[in-house]
Amino acid sequence: EAQVTQNPRYLITVTGKKLTVTCSQNMNHEYMSWYRQDPGLGLRQIYYSMNVEVTDKGDVPEGYKVSRKEKRNFPLILESPSPNQTSLYFCASSLRGQVTEAFFGQGTRLTVV
Amino acid sequence: KNQVEQSPQSLIILEGKNCTLQCNYTVSPFSNLRWYKQDTGRGPVSLTIMTFSENTKSNGRYTATLDADTKQSSLHITASQLSDSASYICVVSARLTGGGNKLTFGTGTQLKVEL
Repeated sequence: EAQVTQNPRYLITVTGKKLTVTCSQNMNHEYMSWYRQDPGLGLRQIYYSMNVEVTDKGDVPEGYKVSRKEKRNFPLILESPSPNQTSLYFCASSLRGQVTEAFFGQGTRLTVV
Repeated sequence: KNQVEQSPQSLIILEGKNCTLQCNYTVSPFSNLRWYKQDTGRGPVSLTIMTFSENTKSNGRYTATLDADTKQSSLHITASQLSDSASYICVVSARLTGGGNKLTFGTGTQLKVEL
């Protein structure tokens, strides 16, 4: 089954404790991205990647890092999480091209206390 | 600045009734417009994608329209069902150099279908 898999689905952590949210897709998509969703706001892009070893900042990259060592994986790293990073996070992937459908993962609800 | 605005913010309708959701956008350079359905706590799922030259597209009971001149889109839901209760998100794609898309998301219309 074609899918984007995020782990974990839920995470509660403390301020400053490094964490990684994994994202994996099995559709051989070139393009992957991370979004955060907060109440009253649309999904906002954190980082994106056009292909292996190619990453770029989205609209809200501060406090986040990503890597794209393999085509299928695109982990999101929070080196020193803060409470304002409490949010619902989504990973998405798509084929490269203008009119290609984006497939989203199931989301990771992160709480930083 | 690229923006997508949706209305209404929320809507309650009776099962079996029709409804129309609105989307206005200022996104450049425009590539395509998408409607997504997002169930609570789940990832968005694509309903339709329309390019500049398409002014209507259907997916079952969902019909999207696009007026690229006025930069408006609508999503019409026919014969609503309880399972249609969800957030409907309008997403406008801008072309990126190198072939990718930059998606700008609306805040969604929260639809509730009641008996």
